[in-house]
Amino acid sequence: EPEVTQTPSHQVTQMGQEVILRCVPISNHLYFYWYRQILGQKVEFLVSFYNNEISEKSEIFDDQFSVERPDGSNFTLKIRSTKLEDSAMYFCASSELRGGNEQFFGPGTRLTVL
Amino acid sequence: AQSVTQLGSHVSVSEGALVLLRCNYSSSVPPYLFWYVQYPNQGLQLLLKYTSAATLVKGINGFEAEFKKSETSFHLTKPSAHMSDAAEYFCAVSEKGSSYKLIFGSGTRLLVRP
Repeated sequence: EPEVTQTPSHQVTQMGQEVILRCVPISNHLYFYWYRQILGQKVEFLVSFYNNEISEKSEIFDDQFSVERPDGSNFTLKIRSTKLEDSAMYFCASSELRGGNEQFFGPGTRLTVL
Repeated sequence: AQSVTQLGSHVSVSEGALVLLRCNYSSSVPPYLFWYVQYPNQGLQLLLKYTSAATLVKGINGFEAEFKKSETSFHLTKPSAHMSDAAEYFCAVSEKGSSYKLIFGSGTRLLVRP
């Protein structure tokens, strides 16, 4: 069964460092999303991506964040200069269509900023 | 703005007992509604979804949910809890818009007692 994969599963970094979180969405999907979940809090939307551009972003997704689909398979989230408060579980999701279509989630990357 | 409220951060039931997890939403237009389950150290898996068809929606693992517009609710039920149902459950809403991002509730952790 097709699935969304994410690497790495855990990432530890120093404050101020750049990190890139990688995702491989399901191959025929067209819509891509990043969400994050700070420990003990709800899952929050970060950004959605379609047709090689951002379609919507949240207030959390400031200039320190960027997304890219560098090739036909990968979808990446970059944090340029990490802060302590960026520590969270980051989930990638993809869907074939919009609307009521299911978003398939990856297993997540746990980012720890020291 | 859309929001989702899940009453009860923790729900404990005995094995074989009825499971009822509550979800209320606020949305200015008829939304799409979802229940996702998260097992430890895993991503989010879709249990079921409401997309304006039948108001009673059946999902995987014996779960079902009923959309009640008058009560703005989408409660999740299962007639008989199994030990394997122990997990965290998230209700989410997706409103028609540019990206159909998911807005999640804060989650309910279901504990099943033997």
